[in-house]
Amino acid sequence: LAKTTQPISMDSYEGQEVNITCSHNNIATNDYITWYQQFPSQGPRFIIQGYKTKVTNEVASLFIPADRKSSTLSLPRVSLSDTAVYYCLVGDSSGTYKYIFGTGTRLKVLA
Amino acid sequence: GAGVSQTPSNKVTEKGKYVELRCDPISGHTALYWYRQSLGQGPEFLIYFQGTGAADDSGLPNDRFFAVRPEGSVSTLKIQRTERGDSAVYLCASSSPRGSYNEQFFGPGTRLTVL
Repeated sequence: LAKTTQPISMDSYEGQEVNITCSHNNIATNDYITWYQQFPSQGPRFIIQGYKTKVTNEVASLFIPADRKSSTLSLPRVSLSDTAVYYCLVGDSSGTYKYIFGTGTRLKVLA
Repeated sequence: GAGVSQTPSNKVTEKGKYVELRCDPISGHTALYWYRQSLGQGPEFLIYFQGTGAADDSGLPNDRFFAVRPEGSVSTLKIQRTERGDSAVYLCASSSPRGSYNEQFFGPGTRLTVL
């Protein structure tokens, strides 16, 4: 399973766009890139998943360059409630769906 | 509909005791996962069920840990002879893989404290 590397922490202010980049140099052909969000005392929650180029949903966008060795989660106009830990995961869609979580990026949104 | 539920929410036990942690997945989800999360760390994979069978138990740390899912829905994680190092939040997730899309839905976790 491909290992991921992402910043340990980030600070932002309310209303700003936040971009969290994750590197996954050993990503395999069958791997998808998935991002989860976790608030204290809760289980992780799915945010977005993609394979290549750009994916957008109601909460975030995911940008994946052609070589797929990195990806960027973009959160538009963050609010205080977006303060959480964000995990970048790489998993094989055709296999066991086992995910390896790293330590994640601790995002703190300031007023 | 109802999400993944886990019971108990908190469990305090003494070193050497046996504990059982229960997970009720989302109805109809065939895949079920157990993870363990220590403070400040990401969830650590323990075991994955597809239906009633354990498809991947490579994350179980040792033979004191065992999990079952006899009817393909509810799962129980069993820990024998608990040790202080077993203290963590135990998370359960379920999913219904369809095609290339796999969203795992997590429960709130069971916080296990071994004294």
